[in-house]
Amino acid sequence: QVHLQESGPGLLKPSETLSLTCTVSGGSISGLYWSWIRQSPGQGKQWIGYVFYSGETHYYPSLRSRVTISVDSSRNQFSLTLTSVTAADTATYYCARHNQWPPHWFDSWGQGALVTVSS
Amino acid sequence: DIVMTQSPATLSVSPGEGVTLSCRASQSIDTNLAWYQQKPHQSPRLLIYGASTRATGVPARFSGSGSGTEFALTISSLQSQDFAIYFCQQYGNGLYTFGQGTKVEIK
Repeated sequence: QVHLQESGPGLLKPSETLSLTCTVSGGSISGLYWSWIRQSPGQGKQWIGYVFYSGETHYYPSLRSRVTISVDSSRNQFSLTLTSVTAADTATYYCARHNQWPPHWFDSWGQGALVTVSS
Repeated sequence: DIVMTQSPATLSVSPGEGVTLSCRASQSIDTNLAWYQQKPHQSPRLLIYGASTRATGVPARFSGSGSGTEFALTISSLQSQDFAIYFCQQYGNGLYTFGQGTKVEIK
């Protein structure tokens, strides 16, 4: 059974860059789409973007200017970078695997990583 | 963006009772809808995809229905492990959006 685990700093200051990595175990990154999703306190979940194992990406429009998602197939990892963070970026960040086809759902999720942005 | 609206926000239910949760899309999404279950301190679990197909290992007491803009998740007889938050998610126009969730709590 596939397992996803987020890792990265939990506390950032405004204007800093958020960097998280998702390590996939029990399965291969190859052939699939992988997403980052976040949930701010008291809010619903927000899709941030995905990366295909080949490196193709697609981002949520309002975050596109600040987001980069990349994949490292050799390490079975994919990563999220979000620049110029503000308090509004405080959230639990999840990595998730899309189902194989069509890749419209998320069939495996990480536990989530809480990231707080505060001065 | 396609906005997903879930109702109610909270449902108080006794074990053994049935319950139906609602999810409405701001525009038609055909059957591009999934339901998830999330318990405290756990990762979300895919229950239903394509509006009505149960994911692998999901008990038959969970069923999904609907198409277009109106969708429902029915749990036929609530068991203790079913008390959780349920949220819907759609895929449309190249984007994925989520409902706010419905908390099913013990009455």
